[in-house]
Amino acid sequence: SAVISQKPSRDICQRGTSLTIQCQVDSQVTMMFWYRQQPGQSLTLIATANQGSEATYESGFVIDKFPISRPNLTFSTLTVSNMSPEDSSIYLCSVVLTRGAFFGQGTRLTVV
Amino acid sequence: ILNVEQSPQSLHVQEGDSTNFTCSFPSSNFYALHWYRWETAKSPEALFVMTLNGDEKKKGRISATLNTKEGYSYLYIKGSQPEDSATYLCAFSPLSGSARQLTFGSGTQLTVLP
Repeated sequence: SAVISQKPSRDICQRGTSLTIQCQVDSQVTMMFWYRQQPGQSLTLIATANQGSEATYESGFVIDKFPISRPNLTFSTLTVSNMSPEDSSIYLCSVVLTRGAFFGQGTRLTVV
Repeated sequence: ILNVEQSPQSLHVQEGDSTNFTCSFPSSNFYALHWYRWETAKSPEALFVMTLNGDEKKKGRISATLNTKEGYSYLYIKGSQPEDSATYLCAFSPLSGSARQLTFGSGTQLTVLP
């Protein structure tokens, strides 16, 4: 199993500002995944964070809006830039092991 | 675009009732089907990872079946308890591409009334 510490757990932000979410894993993993769940929607993959290379973004998500860092095999950050109310969501980081995916506690973001 | 669908979207049952929900997924390029329980203010918790057609897994009062040929999985809860109230997510993992990339359904929100 994996234990993932994610912070902040929640935040209320002004539109136009940026928020950086951090995830720390208790073991080394090659890939970390960042998801978003907008109200009433399913978990949607934003990007895959690979250590030593640029993140791979899914269709509809771009690096300028969601820059990701992956400085080592246990840590990653996701920044939500120039926020608008549409960015209000739960953001989750995740790793996938043989026994399934393990998630951080989530960041509940409200943009006002 | 992978289509993973769950039904029903939400469900209210009385304590003690048994219930089940469905996850449908692509029957081709299949690697694994995952089930998760997501309680409010907590992180999603893995229930089952299923890979073999006909597989049936059980964890306490919760069990799941898998049909990869027709592309569906059922999750059963026997004798529902209020603590079973949560959103239940299924996720599809493909054979090609990265098997670690999961495509999630929109979830079934279960409320068990005491």
